[in-house]
Amino acid sequence: KAGVTQTPRYLIKTRGQQVTLSCSPISGHRSVSWYQQTPGQGLQFLFEYFSETQRNKGNFPGRFSGRQFSNSRSEMNVSTLELGDSALYLCASSLGNIQYFGAGTRLSVL
Amino acid sequence: QQQVKQSPQSLIVQKGGISIINCAYENTAFDYFPWYQQFPGKGPALLIAIRPDVSEKKEGRFTISFNKSAKQFSLHIMDSQPGDSATYFCAASRTSYDKVIFGPGTSLSVIP
Repeated sequence: KAGVTQTPRYLIKTRGQQVTLSCSPISGHRSVSWYQQTPGQGLQFLFEYFSETQRNKGNFPGRFSGRQFSNSRSEMNVSTLELGDSALYLCASSLGNIQYFGAGTRLSVL
Repeated sequence: QQQVKQSPQSLIVQKGGISIINCAYENTAFDYFPWYQQFPGKGPALLIAIRPDVSEKKEGRFTISFNKSAKQFSLHIMDSQPGDSATYFCAASRTSYDKVIFGPGTSLSVIP
């Protein structure tokens, strides 16, 4: 089975722009979660989607949004980028409690 | 209440030694405690997990010890190897459908 695929792997944006990240889960997994990873804050939970519905949400501002499609693929959008949004964004698909992570998208905001 | 604390932040161990990472939680509703291992340039991967009805779980050189009354759990890596050098995250969740809360991570370096 193919693992979790995240695209693109690297992104460079400037302040004020918006960005969309994509995640393809493992086949058969209906849950997709997004995390922001930074050296100082560790893994911060953004949100989780299950069957196209947001099931859980972390404590991030409304600039961070996501959605899930009928094939379980998910996208995450960040609008009006700030320097502090520079991070590794990880997507995980899950079956029950076990989460399977992709390699992440490294976002740099200049 | 939702936080998972983890220590130490970084750890250096000699090859063949024992690496110990400790975690603590507050929410007694948590019932699933996984450990994830992350190598540079990769996403975290599940290493081993435990539920509160078990005090210890061993898989190869990796052992989780769980103390329900103290609300603490720890990862022991026996006979640590340079290939074990990675960042380790403990985590906790309430049910299969609840979000997973991660600790801040421990950077382990195993030196020859």
